[in-house]
Amino acid sequence: AQSVTQLGSHVSVSEGALVLLRCNYSSSVPPYLFWYVQYPNQGLQLLLKYTTGATLVKGINGFEAEFKKSETSFHLTKPSAHMSDAAEYFCAVSVDTGKLIFGQGTTLQVKP
Amino acid sequence: ETGVTQSPTHLIKTRGQQVTLRCSSQSGHNTVSWYQQALGQGPQFIFQYYREEENGRGNFPPRFSGLQFPNYSSELNVNALELDDSALYLCASSGHGQGIGETQYFGPGTRLLVL
Repeated sequence: AQSVTQLGSHVSVSEGALVLLRCNYSSSVPPYLFWYVQYPNQGLQLLLKYTTGATLVKGINGFEAEFKKSETSFHLTKPSAHMSDAAEYFCAVSVDTGKLIFGQGTTLQVKP
Repeated sequence: ETGVTQSPTHLIKTRGQQVTLRCSSQSGHNTVSWYQQALGQGPQFIFQYYREEENGRGNFPPRFSGLQFPNYSSELNVNALELDDSALYLCASSGHGQGIGETQYFGPGTRLLVL
């Protein structure tokens, strides 16, 4: 069965520092992987997704993620954090008819 | 292009009541998926509708039911509400029901509180 594990429910960085949010997946078939962001009292917004091809995926707002099959990982990074990046981040894997299985989420705090 | 919209934004019900949540899909999309997001958790898949037919269901009891209409809008109905049904209910639309890698576009959600 497919599953997603996000390591660290809460990550705190200083403004301008590197952001690294960890995601590991379990899948018996080639995975389709997503990162979504959720701002307070809002729905989910797609940051980026991996389907096939290039393993380094660039998304919106300067975020990128690298698919590493050998490590079953899809970590999200951003070189320099902004205050506006403070939000909840969800990693997800797409299975079956396209339903998404989400991780538990990581809250990113950005300190001035 | 109109995004995914949901109504109402907030709702308060008492245990045992029934509730209907509504979702309008993004223009051009024929698939709607519903998710339940409990406080502090990731969204959990409830079910998906593709061209008015249920196209997959998560681990939710039958008192969670849905409909999709010819214009691809959708309803989520929950009967016999329980306290644990309190959550944010998210609707997402996508272009094709069989698209395992298809991007799902989410609405703002309906926050349901069951007292």
